[in-house]
Amino acid sequence: DIQMTQSPSSLSASVGDRVTITCRASQSINSYLNWYQQKPGKAPKLLIYAASSLQSGVPSRFSGSGSGTDFTLTISSLQAEDFATYYCQQSYNTPWTFGQGTKVEIK
Amino acid sequence: EVQLVESGGGLVQPGGSLRLSCAASGFTFSSYSMNWVRQAPGKGLEWVSYMSSSSSTIYYADSVKGRFTISRDNAKNSLYLQMNSLRAEDTAVYYCTRGVSDAFGYWGQGTLVTVSS
Repeated sequence: DIQMTQSPSSLSASVGDRVTITCRASQSINSYLNWYQQKPGKAPKLLIYAASSLQSGVPSRFSGSGSGTDFTLTISSLQAEDFATYYCQQSYNTPWTFGQGTKVEIK
Repeated sequence: EVQLVESGGGLVQPGGSLRLSCAASGFTFSSYSMNWVRQAPGKGLEWVSYMSSSSSTIYYADSVKGRFTISRDNAKNSLYLQMNSLRAEDTAVYYCTRGVSDAFGYWGQGTLVTVSS
């Protein structure tokens, strides 16, 4: 199975900050990497697919980059509604696996 | 608007069975592969099972293989998950998802399954 490792596990940031979350795969997954946002008590929401494609309706302050084993989710200017947990997920092969999550909290 | 509505969760004893349903609307259900993804309380996300649009291809996570069965009824726009031999570690919110490219693009609100005596 492909292991997905996110860093950091949590971070504290202020509104307006630039935030970067990294995700590393245990083997190359080309660009088969997706990012999700989850708020407490809610279902996850797809933000980025295929490493860098923005899902319809997602604000442009979210962006993704990377290929192979190393990937990044960037929020260019953190907004109040962005405080949530973020997960990466590989869709290269089954079993499709997720990172452990990164919780973005208010500083 | 894409809508996925799960139902069928509840409290079940270890070793018991439960059948989850997912009612889909707002898209041509028969054209899309579907998945179940679960989340144990306070934990991360775990993919459970996949079924292709025609039902010809099915995958399971090792943790549920041999105990869970995914199925669909394209005429009823519905996806199912039959869960047998349930264990405490199966306790989770179960989400029905539809793909966008190779991602889990749309999610239902989830249904809670609690396995406990």
